[in-house]
Amino acid sequence: NAGVTQTPKFRILKIGQSMTLQCTQDMNHNYMYWYRQDPGMGLKLIYYSVGAGITDKGEVPNGYNVSRSTTEDFPLRLELAAPSQTSVYFCASSYRGSQPQHFGDGTRLSIL
Amino acid sequence: RKEVEQDPGPFNVPEGATVAFNCTYSNSASQSFFWYRQDCRKEPKLLMSVYSSGNEDGRFTAQLNRASQYISLLIRDSKLSDSATYLCVVNNVEDSNYQLIWGAGTKLIIKP
Repeated sequence: NAGVTQTPKFRILKIGQSMTLQCTQDMNHNYMYWYRQDPGMGLKLIYYSVGAGITDKGEVPNGYNVSRSTTEDFPLRLELAAPSQTSVYFCASSYRGSQPQHFGDGTRLSIL
Repeated sequence: RKEVEQDPGPFNVPEGATVAFNCTYSNSASQSFFWYRQDCRKEPKLLMSVYSSGNEDGRFTAQLNRASQYISLLIRDSKLSDSATYLCVVNNVEDSNYQLIWGAGTKLIIKP
């Protein structure tokens, strides 16, 4: 019963470094999402995917890239990390876009 | 006007009391509605879907008012463990149902 798995759980990066946040789901969901959540704030959609090979921008895509080569995996790439990208990142998935989303535990990222 | 609006709270409520939250949404064509709860520094978890006729799950009751475009969540006999942030979620019908629109959340604190 893994559901949505995110790695790593915590990471500290230096300004200008790059990294990939991993997300995998074993529920055969078509839709996958990346959100960020700043302290005391709501979720903001970064990117989403409606199936393998299809991705699209959300509300706050700048500074990030994604790919969806398989149904299961939806990695989020940070290029040239900036302090403004310090946040908690959540990956989620759903069978259809109008159905409830299931979340991973989150990745807590600090850029120093 | 924000697409999904919630009173941020916090609502400070004594244990055993009844508490109610409302959430307003802007798109009258929205079809899917959910309440999630989010504990501090944790991922959002689905609490319940909201159906047109209203629905109940134990101490929790959700209702939808399409005419006034709001959904509500009622918690009876509140427990200390109900302390959390409650997120109102509505589907985005303008984007082929690919996305859910998230409210910023209402913080609930249950006091002994």
